[in-house]
Amino acid sequence: NAGVTQTPKFQVLKTGQSMTLQCAQDMNHEYMSWYRQDPGMGLRLIHYSVGAGITDQGEVPNGYNVSRSTTEDFPLRLLSAAPSQTSVYFCASSVGTGGFEQYFGPGTRLTVT
Amino acid sequence: DAKTTQPPSMDCAEGRAANLPCNHSTISGNEYVYWYRQIHSQGPQYIIHGLKNNETNEMASLIITEDRKSSTLILPHATLRDTAVYYCIVRVANGGGGADGLTFGKGTHLIIQP
Repeated sequence: NAGVTQTPKFQVLKTGQSMTLQCAQDMNHEYMSWYRQDPGMGLRLIHYSVGAGITDQGEVPNGYNVSRSTTEDFPLRLLSAAPSQTSVYFCASSVGTGGFEQYFGPGTRLTVT
Repeated sequence: DAKTTQPPSMDCAEGRAANLPCNHSTISGNEYVYWYRQIHSQGPQYIIHGLKNNETNEMASLIITEDRKSSTLILPHATLRDTAVYYCIVRVANGGGGADGLTFGKGTHLIIQP
């Protein structure tokens, strides 16, 4: 199993541009989520999904959209990038609705200039 | 979810046991204690979890006090690769409505010294 994969690893955007961060898992997990981590801070939940077709907002959802058309994929869309969205983004998955052991991807480092 | 308090940093000599404390004095009866760690520039990694009994796995041991207001994560023989930020998280097992996720604080930066 590849586990949780994220692409790209690095991305630089200009203010106002849009892009999609990709996340995929091959463990047939129902639960997937997106976090952002700013320097020196813990992770903050952006959006999550408890299954295909079901998504909901986390702590910091503004400026981001998600969809979940398949169990495997959970892309995160930045609608109009802003410098405040410069961060490292992590995708995670787990069985059930966010159970004990969550598997994290390697992260995407995004810089918005 | 209950709030946790951890020291910002700790040192430990290589080969020694690393004992990382966590205070969670407002924990509720249905909340578990989870530990994750994050090695520099990588995604967080699950270590262990427990409700009220002590737990052990191949990575670590978790000791929870009888009143459940604090816990200690023990890495029995620390190596240089254990240098990481360790997060103590308290939450119900499967969310419980609302924003379902893990609340990561700032954790403890554990530095293993050679």
